[in-house]
Amino acid sequence: DQQVKQNSPSLSVQEGRISILNCDYTNSMFDYFLWYKKYPAEGPTFLISISSIKDKNEDGRFTVFLNKSAKHLSLHIVPSQPGDSAVYFCAASAGDNTDKLIFGTGTRLQVFP
Amino acid sequence: NAGVTQTPKFQVLKTGQSMTLQCAQDMNHEYMSWYRQDPGMGLRLIHYSVGAGITDQGEVPNGYNVSRSTTEDFPLRLLSAAPSQTSVYFCASRHNWEQETQYFGPGTRLLVL
Repeated sequence: DQQVKQNSPSLSVQEGRISILNCDYTNSMFDYFLWYKKYPAEGPTFLISISSIKDKNEDGRFTVFLNKSAKHLSLHIVPSQPGDSAVYFCAASAGDNTDKLIFGTGTRLQVFP
Repeated sequence: NAGVTQTPKFQVLKTGQSMTLQCAQDMNHEYMSWYRQDPGMGLRLIHYSVGAGITDQGEVPNGYNVSRSTTEDFPLRLLSAAPSQTSVYFCASRHNWEQETQYFGPGTRLLVL
């Protein structure tokens, strides 16, 4: 049972436009969410996170939105750059059990000129 | 700092063989973990450790053993490899109090024939 779902396996966006990556979750106990970025042949790197007490967190070109009632979060990248081309994973954890992250299946973003 | 290092980068095993995937970090991180990444499955937590001498199971622990005798090292052992363990394995580490700043190694690609 996939508790964290990324239903779009891939996304293609033109450079300079907005990229929106989506993530849905089923476990209402999740209260901390993270986005990781992964280039081929490398490990994932942390990008941005959000706690359930917030509905938005911004870091430069990256903004994460959380809609708790819909159990949905999204990552916005504005403006998109070719270097953003990578696989993006969302992940979640519940309560005090921050030792266990549950990852989504990933979305491959391609930013073309 | 070398960060998180993993060896080997690639390994081919025959069914039933045993091997140890090595992971080391030089950042004095208390928390270390092992994930596997399979196509369409995202990253799944195998085992983790919050300090030397302490380990616990993640989402998919069967077929794997771990130990944590030092802060720096967290080896993952496959006692009797099976084709279902063909995957890419990532080791990660962080300070116990830093949920999001988890550093991943470059991964070990394992093929079990």
